[in-house]
Amino acid sequence: NAGVTQTPKFQVLKTGQSMTLQCAQDMNHNSMYWYRQDPGMGLRLIYYSASEGTTDKGEVPNGYNVSRLNKREFSLRLESAAPSQTSVYFCASTPPRTGTNTEAFFGQGTRLTVV
Amino acid sequence: GENVEQHPSTLSVQEGDSAVIKCTYSDSASNYFPWYKQELGKRPQLIIDIRSNVGEKKDQRIAVTLNKTAKHFSLHITETQPEDSAVYFCAAISSGGYNKLIFGAGTRLAVHP
Repeated sequence: NAGVTQTPKFQVLKTGQSMTLQCAQDMNHNSMYWYRQDPGMGLRLIYYSASEGTTDKGEVPNGYNVSRLNKREFSLRLESAAPSQTSVYFCASTPPRTGTNTEAFFGQGTRLTVV
Repeated sequence: GENVEQHPSTLSVQEGDSAVIKCTYSDSASNYFPWYKQELGKRPQLIIDIRSNVGEKKDQRIAVTLNKTAKHFSLHITETQPEDSAVYFCAAISSGGYNKLIFGAGTRLAVHP
């Protein structure tokens, strides 16, 4: 099992450019998340998806869109990148709530710089 | 909305001392509280968790306590070692049918030899 796979690992964008961060998990998890991590700010939830076909806003959704393509994949799109979106982005997934194991598994992160 | 506060933001201890990190949460229906360790440049990884039906859980040098009435939980690391140096995050799962994890802002722990 690969766990949670995120691409790309690094990306530099110019202000106004768009891009999509890809995330896929092979653990048959229902819930998936996108977080951003800024120095001293911890992990802030951008969007999450409780199950295939549903998405909800988190704490900091402005400037982002998401798509839960299927149970495995959850993508994050920046339509018009801004310097304030420079951050490290983590995708994560968790198993169904009915199970005893609720551990979140994280991707390796995407370091995004917007210049 | 749901909120998790974590203190202190930085913690410096001597090797062998104990370290305590505290968190409070706002959603009284939260029932699962994990702790994650993040080493520099790496992804967060689960080190211990606790559910609301227990008050304390231990795993070797690490323990977590939970006070549901006060809505706070703490991470205790005993006999700290330099390899414990990392950023630690507490989290809480919000109520409802979703596994919506909300994280604290993190504690940077430095263990000095």
